Amino acid sequence: LAKTTQPISMDSYEGQEVNITCSHNNIATNDYITWYQQFPSQGPRFIIQGYKTKVTNEVASLFIPADRKSSTLSLPRVSLSDTAVYYCLAIIYNQGGKLIFGQGTELSVKP
Amino acid sequence: DAGVIQSPRHEVTEMGQEVTLRCKPISGHDYLFWYRQTMMRGLELLIYFNNNVPIDDSGMPEDRFSAKMPNASFSTLKIQPSEPRDSAVYFCASRAQRAGFMDTQYFGPGTRLTVL
Repeated sequence: LAKTTQPISMDSYEGQEVNITCSHNNIATNDYITWYQQFPSQGPRFIIQGYKTKVTNEVASLFIPADRKSSTLSLPRVSLSDTAVYYCLAIIYNQGGKLIFGQGTELSVKP
Repeated sequence: DAGVIQSPRHEVTEMGQEVTLRCKPISGHDYLFWYRQTMMRGLELLIYFNNNVPIDDSGMPEDRFSAKMPNASFSTLKIQPSEPRDSAVYFCASRAQRAGFMDTQYFGPGTRLTVL
């Protein structure tokens, strides 16, 4: 199973771009990289998913280099409401989309 | 769409009692997952179903835990007997599998279980 490693915490200020990098050295060929966001007292919420290169949606961008051993979630111009825990994980395609959550990165956005 | 529905939202019980957590997945989703979250262990996958059939229960901690999915719109996670170390937030999530496309999991609001 692909093990992911990401920083435990990060601080930022409103309006800044935040980049959270995750390493997944033993990712399998069929694994997708997925990021979830979790606010206190809520379930995780899907942010973005990718397999390689770059993916962008209305919330974030995801950069995955050719070797796929790492990925970077980019949040443009964060606001206080982006304060949450962000999980990088591999979604195991051959196992029904099984998710293995790591420790997550606690992002704190300050005014 | 109402999203994934879990009940109860909070449960407080005494050690040794049976606890049943309930989940209604999003209509049309054919995968259902049960997770447990604690400060010490983070988010752990307990079991998941595909088309009402349990596929992987390797995350179920011990025989005191059992899960069922009698139909496509309902699942239960039962703990019997409960112990204080079972105290956690239990999440249910569902997902649809579309051919050639990896869909996302949608999580419910969770059930906060406290075992005294």
